[in-house]
Amino acid sequence: EDQVTQSPEALRLQEGESSSLNCSYTVSGLRGLFWYRQDPGKGPEFLFTLYSAGEEKEKERLKATLTKKESFLHITAPKPEDSATYLCAVQAPNKYIFGTGTRLKVLA
Amino acid sequence: NAGVTQTPKFRILKIGQSMTLQCAQDMNHNYMYWYRQDPGMGLKLIYYSVGAGITDKGEVPNGYNVSRSTTEDFPLRLELAAPSQTSVYFCASSTGGSNEKLFFGSGTQLSVL
Repeated sequence: EDQVTQSPEALRLQEGESSSLNCSYTVSGLRGLFWYRQDPGKGPEFLFTLYSAGEEKEKERLKATLTKKESFLHITAPKPEDSATYLCAVQAPNKYIFGTGTRLKVLA
Repeated sequence: NAGVTQTPKFRILKIGQSMTLQCAQDMNHNYMYWYRQDPGMGLKLIYYSVGAGITDKGEVPNGYNVSRSTTEDFPLRLELAAPSQTSVYFCASSTGGSNEKLFFGSGTQLSVL
């Protein structure tokens, strides 16, 4: 069965405390893995697309990596404005499957 | 730069009432989607459309209907609202190409009481 699992469900960090969010997936015919950021009361906003194992993408304090079974979203020296829910999604033929997200809270 | 616009933002319905959630995009995207998001659950696809006049069911279509008469608009109709339809609804659009990143609206929070 195709599925996407994100961990942890919630994460509290002190400002400047680096960490990683995990997205593990099982899907046939992966066409892409996507990371989105969702702020309270808003729709998800696109961050990254990864297509093949070994690929990495960076944006400010965020770096996304991909293996054949999972993806990591690394957050380096986070700031309070990085607080949000981070969603992972995988695209396969005729499917786009979302994980349940990781709620990140960064404390000043 | 409006992107994807959803209305209304909030709505309370009584059981059995009907309503239409509006969605419009100004990016000339062919693909449009309706998702619902429930606490602790991933986004679930209700219906999608690959172009004007073409719609298809997603994962959870029961109790909903859609139409796509123009490229820009993709309304979602709820007939005979039920408490199980209490959720946050998101409309999204994409180019439909291999880099199928989705552009989301800001959502409609619906409560059925």
